[in-house]
Amino acid sequence: AQKVTQAQTEISVVEKEDVTLDCVYETRDTTYYLFWYKQPPSGELVFLIRRNSFDEQNEISGRYSWNFQKSTSSFNFTITASQVVDSAVYFCALSEASAAGNKLTFGGGTRVLVKP
Amino acid sequence: DAGITQSPRYKITETGRQVTLMCHQTWSHSYMFWYRQDLGHGLRLIYYSAAADITDKGEVPDGYVVSRSKTENFPLTLESATRSQTSVYFCASSENSRDYGYTFGSGTRLTVV
Repeated sequence: AQKVTQAQTEISVVEKEDVTLDCVYETRDTTYYLFWYKQPPSGELVFLIRRNSFDEQNEISGRYSWNFQKSTSSFNFTITASQVVDSAVYFCALSEASAAGNKLTFGGGTRVLVKP
Repeated sequence: DAGITQSPRYKITETGRQVTLMCHQTWSHSYMFWYRQDLGHGLRLIYYSAAADITDKGEVPDGYVVSRSKTENFPLTLESATRSQTSVYFCASSENSRDYGYTFGSGTRLTVV
C-alpha cells in the first residue's frame, strides 16, 4: 500500500528565512506521481507541482524548489526567503500508476507559520 | 462557470439526520473523489468513482454513501450523521491520465451537533 509521511507537523520561521518541508513516500510501483499542494488559511487546495517517477530533475519555480530523490524515496520542498503569504499547510501526495481509480494518497501535512 | 463546485459551503446538522453534499464538475473528467480533512490526519479518501455508475470505497467509507448517475455529479450522503463526521469535505476530479493532475473543489465544512 502506498504511504506518504510528512514528519514535520509544524514549522515556524521568521520572514526571509528558508524553510524545507520533508516528504517521504512508500510505494512498490515503478511508475508513480508525486504532488505538493498548498492550503492557505482560506482553506482551498492549491496545486504546486507534479512530478512523475521517471523525472528526477530538481525543479525551481521562483522562491519554490523541489528535490526529488528516488534513492531515499523523498520529495522535499524548499521555500527560499519565506514571506508571510507563505503561511499555510502544505501537503505532499502520491498516486501510483497501478492504483485503482487514480487514487491520491496524502501525507498528514506540515503547517508553516512565517512571522514578520 | 467551468470548474468543480461543491455545495453547500457550510452546513450544520444534527446527529442522526441525513445530509447530502453536492459536487459538480464541468470538464467531463472520468474520475471523481471525496476526501475528508481532519486535524492530524491530512486528507483521507472516502469514496472514488472511475466513471458514471462505477464507485468504490476508499480508506474511510463507513457511514457514507455515494452515487454517480451522471459523469458530472458525485454526491456524498451521510445517511445518519454522527459527531465524528464533523469535518471538511473536499471533492476532486481528474482525467484518465495522472499527468493532468487533480482539481479540488473549495470544500464543505460540515458540523454535526
